[in-house]
Amino acid sequence: AQRVTQPEKLLSVFKGAPVELKCNYSYSGSPELFWYVQYSRQRLQLLLRHISRESIKGFTADLNKGETSFHLKKPFAQEEDSAMYYCALSSNFGNEKLTFGTGTRLTIIP
Amino acid sequence: DTGVSQDPRHKITKRGQNVTFRCDPISEHNRLYWYRQTLGQGPEFLTYFQNEAQLEKSRLLSDRFSAERPKGSFSTLEIQRTEQGDSAMYLCASSLLTGVGYTEAFFGQGTRLTVV
Repeated sequence: AQRVTQPEKLLSVFKGAPVELKCNYSYSGSPELFWYVQYSRQRLQLLLRHISRESIKGFTADLNKGETSFHLKKPFAQEEDSAMYYCALSSNFGNEKLTFGTGTRLTIIP
Repeated sequence: DTGVSQDPRHKITKRGQNVTFRCDPISEHNRLYWYRQTLGQGPEFLTYFQNEAQLEKSRLLSDRFSAERPKGSFSTLEIQRTEQGDSAMYLCASSLLTGVGYTEAFFGQGTRLTVV
């Protein structure tokens, strides 16, 4: 069974400090990993997916198959990064059904 | 707004009543998903459609739940004989599957159901 674990429900970071949101997964095949973000009163939206290898809004995430992790990182936090972040997984067979973690609420302290 | 739209945004119903939610995906998207999100949890997959065909249903989708996408465009999710445990945010998402892959899933703003 596939599973996504986000160990931190809440994370507070000072503006300008580095951010790391943790995500671990279990899946028997080769999954696709995603980070979704939900800003206050907005819909859930894709932040980044591992196959694109992009940096979005200064965030990056590297898939570590050995540690089954996909941690989200940003070197310098900004106030507008305050949001709910969800790590998600899907199979790589074209079925985009997503399995989500429970989410981490990130608060940037000014 | 040309994104995924859901109606209604909020629904309060008495236990035992039936409710129906609607989702209008992005117009060219051939895949449509329903998720349910309860407090403190991430979204949980319920079912998905490829055009009008319902291809997968989660074990979460009891026989009181039914979803349709009759013409491969909008979709409805009906819950019969609602229970308090059905109270949740119901999210719809759509994406486009092509011969070379698929786009990201775009989510609607959800329908919040409260069963009293």
